[in-house]
Amino acid sequence: DQQVKQNSPSLSVQEGRISILNCDYTNSMFDYFLWYKKYPAEGPTFLISISSIKDKNEDGRFTVFLNKSAKHLSLHIVPSQPGDSAVYFCAAKGSAGNNLFFGTGTRLTVIP
Amino acid sequence: EPEVTQTPSHQVTQMGQEVILRCVPISNHLYFYWYRQILGQKVEFLVSFYNNEISEKSEIFDDQFSVERPDGSNFTLKIRSTKLEDSAMYFCASSGKTFTYNEQFFGPGTRLTVL
Repeated sequence: DQQVKQNSPSLSVQEGRISILNCDYTNSMFDYFLWYKKYPAEGPTFLISISSIKDKNEDGRFTVFLNKSAKHLSLHIVPSQPGDSAVYFCAAKGSAGNNLFFGTGTRLTVIP
Repeated sequence: EPEVTQTPSHQVTQMGQEVILRCVPISNHLYFYWYRQILGQKVEFLVSFYNNEISEKSEIFDDQFSVERPDGSNFTLKIRSTKLEDSAMYFCASSGKTFTYNEQFFGPGTRLTVL
């Protein structure tokens, strides 16, 4: 079951630069997408989300872009800070159910 | 800020034993979930619970698993006869006041180790 994919297991970025995390999905019935951040030994922390009726949602340093035709979404973090270093999970939800389908995560390291 | 709490943080058990994992969702949330993450794998949905009954479950959630909301604040996951492959992090989550909630808020997890 690979309905949500994060093809980059890791990403390193200099402090102050932009971090771009990518996510692809295969199920066209997904209508809501979320990004979670996870530190070791903690649960996923909700960051930002986007409905399929939008193509962009912004919250402070975090912006999520959705390209429905390409079934692709991305999370931009600007400027990146060392405290952003964590594993980032993309998740998707269909209109018919409540369960979230998660990607495998991308480990972001922000270098001071 | 309200948060989901889970106990215990780590549970070690022998294969074949029963375990109960406990969660206190965010108060006034209406939807409750269990997910698990086997080491090195993705977070997987197990079950969702609404209005005192299961609303959805995955194929992982077989007859060995059950959920309960015994007292209006706790939400529990019981595994009747644990197997080695049940070893994982188990996350509880809650959401919503309305049916259109979407954001699920997760607890810190319980690490279950089956020996």
